Amino acid sequence: KAGVTQTPRYLIKTRGQQVTLSCSPISGHRSVSWYQQTPGQGLQFLFEYFSETQRNKGNFPGRFSGRQFSNSRSEMNVSTLELGDSALYLCASRKITRGENTEAFFGQGTRLTVV
Amino acid sequence: AQSVAQPEDQVNVAEGNPLTVKCTYSVSGNPYLFWYVQYPNRGLQFLLKYITGDNLVKGSYGFEAEFNKSQTSFHLKKPSALVSDSALYFCAVPGNFNKFYFGSGTKLNVKP
Repeated sequence: KAGVTQTPRYLIKTRGQQVTLSCSPISGHRSVSWYQQTPGQGLQFLFEYFSETQRNKGNFPGRFSGRQFSNSRSEMNVSTLELGDSALYLCASRKITRGENTEAFFGQGTRLTVV
Repeated sequence: AQSVAQPEDQVNVAEGNPLTVKCTYSVSGNPYLFWYVQYPNRGLQFLLKYITGDNLVKGSYGFEAEFNKSQTSFHLKKPSALVSDSALYFCAVPGNFNKFYFGSGTKLNVKP
């Protein structure tokens, strides 16, 4: 069974540019969430999508956006990149089962460096 | 509000010795608690979870965790540490809509 796939693994962008990251969840998982990980701030929740709808959003500026497609694949976009956006971006998929607290499965992440 | 805390930024242990990585929690309702491990430049890997039942939960790679309701703790343990256990460990508690609240992480260093 394939795991969570994130592409690309590494990105280098210039300030002011925009970037799109992709996440393919485990087959059958309809919930996809995104996290930003930095040494100083730890793991911070960005947003969560389920059946193409954003259900939850973290405390990030509007430059951070995302979407989910009908096949559950998700993308996140960061516009007008800033140096502080340099981070490891992690995607997690989860099988939502009523009455059961399932674990989330994470991709290997996309390492974004803004120069 | 759901939260977890990891009081130690780093834990050092010699190979072959027992290890403990600490986590305390604050939740409303029944606690559901998770441990994840992260190796350098990798994503998080699920280790184990507590839902209900036995206070001692067994997980992957020989790890186990002890749930203590009176102390609101969920410490991760292993009887005999390996150098390959060196990594970053996170405890977590789920919130609404697939959001997890993670602790700040504890770096485990196992020395030969």
